[in-house]
Order: sequence, then C-alpha cells, then structure tokens
Amino acid sequence: QQQVKQSPQSLIVQKGGISIINCAYENTAFDYFPWYQQFPGKGPALLIAIRPDVSEKKEGRFTISFNKSAKQFSLHIMDSQPGDSATYFCAASRDRGSTLGRLYFGRGTQLTVWP
Amino acid sequence: NAGVTQTPKFRVLKTGQSMTLLCAQDMNHEYMYWYRQDPGMGLRLIHYSVGEGTTAKGEVPDGYNVSRLKKQNFLLGLESAAPSQTSVYFCASSHRAHSRIFGPGTRLTVL
Repeated sequence: QQQVKQSPQSLIVQKGGISIINCAYENTAFDYFPWYQQFPGKGPALLIAIRPDVSEKKEGRFTISFNKSAKQFSLHIMDSQPGDSATYFCAASRDRGSTLGRLYFGRGTQLTVWP
Repeated sequence: NAGVTQTPKFRVLKTGQSMTLLCAQDMNHEYMYWYRQDPGMGLRLIHYSVGEGTTAKGEVPDGYNVSRLKKQNFLLGLESAAPSQTSVYFCASSHRAHSRIFGPGTRLTVL
C-alpha cells in the first residue's frame, strides 16, 4: 500500500510560471513532510520541509502548503526557472512507533521548465 | 567534509554474481539507509541501521544483506545478482530520524 501518493507524474511549465506538485497521505500519525529535489545523475537533496502545526512554509521561491484536514500537502515553485528542471519527491514520516523515522516517498514528479 | 560517498559509481554484473556496495559518511550520523530507485517507483527502502552493529529490513529487503560494523560505513551485499536488481542504489545517512543526506548513487546493471 502506497503511503504517500504524488501527482502529477510529469509537469511542463513555461519559464516564469508557477509549478504545483501535490501529495496526499492516509496515516494521520505522520508529522514531518519533506520535499526532495533530484537532478539527473545525482542523489536527492532536501529542498524544504514542514510540520503539521503550520499551514504554509516559504523558502525563497519554494512554498509548501499543508492541509491537515484533507491530508494533503503541495509544493509551489514560483517564477519557475529552467534550473528548476528536476525530479521532485514528497515524503512523510512520524516520530513515534516501531517505524521511527521511516520516510515514505511519493513516486516523484519530473518537472521541465521551458525557457 | 565529503558527506556521503558511495563506491563504486557504476557496475555491470552477470546473473548469479555477487558484489558489495560501500557507503561511507563522515558526519558522525547514527542512522544510515540503503534505497533503490527505479523509474516510476520513487525511492524504496531496502535496509537501514539505527546505529553501529544494528540493521533492520525496509520494504524491499529480499535478495540483499547489509552490515554496519563501523558507525561510518554501511555495506549492501548482493549474494546472487538477478536482472530484477538492476537499479540505481542510493545510500543516505541522518543525525536524527527525519532528515536524510543522500550519496551520489551507484548504477548497477545485472545482465
């Protein structure tokens, strides 16, 4: 059973546009929601993360929106640039229990930003 | 700091051969992980370790073994490689349970 569902699988955006990637989860015990960015031939790198006590977190052009009641969170990339072209993964984990720290990943979104 | 390093970067094996992938981290992290990445499947956890001398199974452990004899190293072994193990393997480490620092990956092809 997939713990975190991510959409879309691929996304094409024009330079300067807004890229939006969505994720949904079922387990209400999750309390940490990171986004990872991966460039071709490289390992994933932490981009931004949020905890459920806030509804939004912004770092530069990247914003996470979190809807606890809907069990959804999304990544918004404002003023998208060709250098943002990469694969993005959402993930979720929880602090307690036998799966302490186990990070459940979405299947990824391949973002292409056209110049 | 080198962060997380993986050896080798590329490898081609024949079915039935064995090999060991080495992961090293110089950040004094307690937690270490092995993932595999396949197209459209995201990152799937193979095995992980919460400290020196400990290992645990992830969601896709079959066909793999691991060892954590030293805190800074985490080895992933394939005893009898199969074509289904063709993948890109990523090692990661973390100080706390949540954040991960990933290595650059090992691209493995099993013929």
